[in-house]
Amino acid sequence: DIQMTQSPASLSASLGETVSIECLASEDIYNNLAWYQQKPGKSPQLLIYYASSLQDGVPSRFSGSGSGTQYSLKINSLESEDAATYFCLQDSEYPWTFGGGTKLELK
Amino acid sequence: QVKLQQSGAELVKPGASVKLSCKTSGYTFSTSYMSWFKQIPGQSIEWIGMIYAGDGGTGYNQKFKGKATLTVDTSSSTAYMDLSSLTTEDSAVYFCARIENYGSYVMDAWGQGASVTVSS
Repeated sequence: DIQMTQSPASLSASLGETVSIECLASEDIYNNLAWYQQKPGKSPQLLIYYASSLQDGVPSRFSGSGSGTQYSLKINSLESEDAATYFCLQDSEYPWTFGGGTKLELK
Repeated sequence: QVKLQQSGAELVKPGASVKLSCKTSGYTFSTSYMSWFKQIPGQSIEWIGMIYAGDGGTGYNQKFKGKATLTVDTSSSTAYMDLSSLTTEDSAVYFCARIENYGSYVMDAWGQGASVTVSS
């Protein structure tokens, strides 16, 4: 199975700041990576797919980049609603696998 | 508007089985794919498997073979997941999610989740 190592596990930032979350795949996943946001007690919501494509309706302050085994999610100008846990997911190879998650706290 | 409405929380005894449902609306279910996921609260998410509503064809994470069985009822646009021989390790929240192919598979709509608690 492809292992997805996500970092950091937790992050604290202030409103208006910019943060980045990283995912490292155990092998090349050819940009088949998505990012999801999950708030407590809610289902995950798709932010980014195919590494860098922004899902309809998602604010443009979210962006994704990367290739090969290394990918990142960047959130510009943090807003209070961005407090959540973020997961990466590879769908390059079965079984699809998630990163461990990054809990983002707003100061 | 795409909606996935999951069945309610379940409290089941060890060794029992449970059947979760995911009723869909707002899109053409009969030609779509559905995936299921497991999440223990506070932990990451695991992919259980997927099913194509067109012919009932399935694909499973090897870890969940024998544990989960995915089916669909196209007449009611509902997907189901049977979980068998339950143990405390199966206590989790289970999500269904529609799979769309945007050139890459994406889960663009999710159910609200169904909590399963296995306890004697």
